[in-house]
Amino acid sequence: DTEVTQTPKHLVMGMTNKKSLKCEQHMGHRAMYWYKQKAKKPPELMFVYSYEKLSINESVPSRFSPECPNSSLLNLHLHALQPEDSALYLCASSPSPGDSNQPQHFGDGTRLSIL
Amino acid sequence: KQEVTQIPAALSVPEGENLVLNCSFTDSAIYNLQWFRQDPGKGLTSLLLIQSSQREQTSGRLNASLDKSSGRSTLYIAASQPGDSATYLCAVSPLPSGAGSYQLTFGKGTKLSVIP
Repeated sequence: DTEVTQTPKHLVMGMTNKKSLKCEQHMGHRAMYWYKQKAKKPPELMFVYSYEKLSINESVPSRFSPECPNSSLLNLHLHALQPEDSALYLCASSPSPGDSNQPQHFGDGTRLSIL
Repeated sequence: KQEVTQIPAALSVPEGENLVLNCSFTDSAIYNLQWFRQDPGKGLTSLLLIQSSQREQTSGRLNASLDKSSGRSTLYIAASQPGDSATYLCAVSPLPSGAGSYQLTFGKGTKLSVIP
């Protein structure tokens, strides 16, 4: 079982819908990440939160809005998505934002399909 | 810009064989290199992390080596089993520079099939 829990596992939504992806970890990690992975491609970093503050936004369109309400939770709010946004969205965490020698722990992802 | 290449893209071997997966990177100024496993439709599981000062790391039947100067890493899997079937990705982390140290650059992965 993964220590990073993502919900829902699958999500189908229309282009006008608003939905949210949720990620939760209870390992006391202080860095959390959102990645996007298209089929047969490697993960692409979207956002990094360090001590609950957004530290990296990899030029992600504003229709993706991250939120970190506390040190255990990370949300990704979705609005007016496009069909090309269909992908596997992965959440990850690592112990310390300042130490990249600690491996990132990944959730199993949310499979998002945009109709 | 760092680029990570993994060869081969796919590999099929009979059960019990030893095998090697290759990873190369263009910029040798890395902080560490990680090998991940990804099962279909699942997230990534970290297998081994090699710091830039290390030459290799071992975990069970897995051994990863790093030659930073030549920009290469290998993942050796001994006595392969059908349960090893998955996609294996390598990723490099740049030298710490504030926020930039978080970003992993991934290869496209090697899809391994171990045939019973």
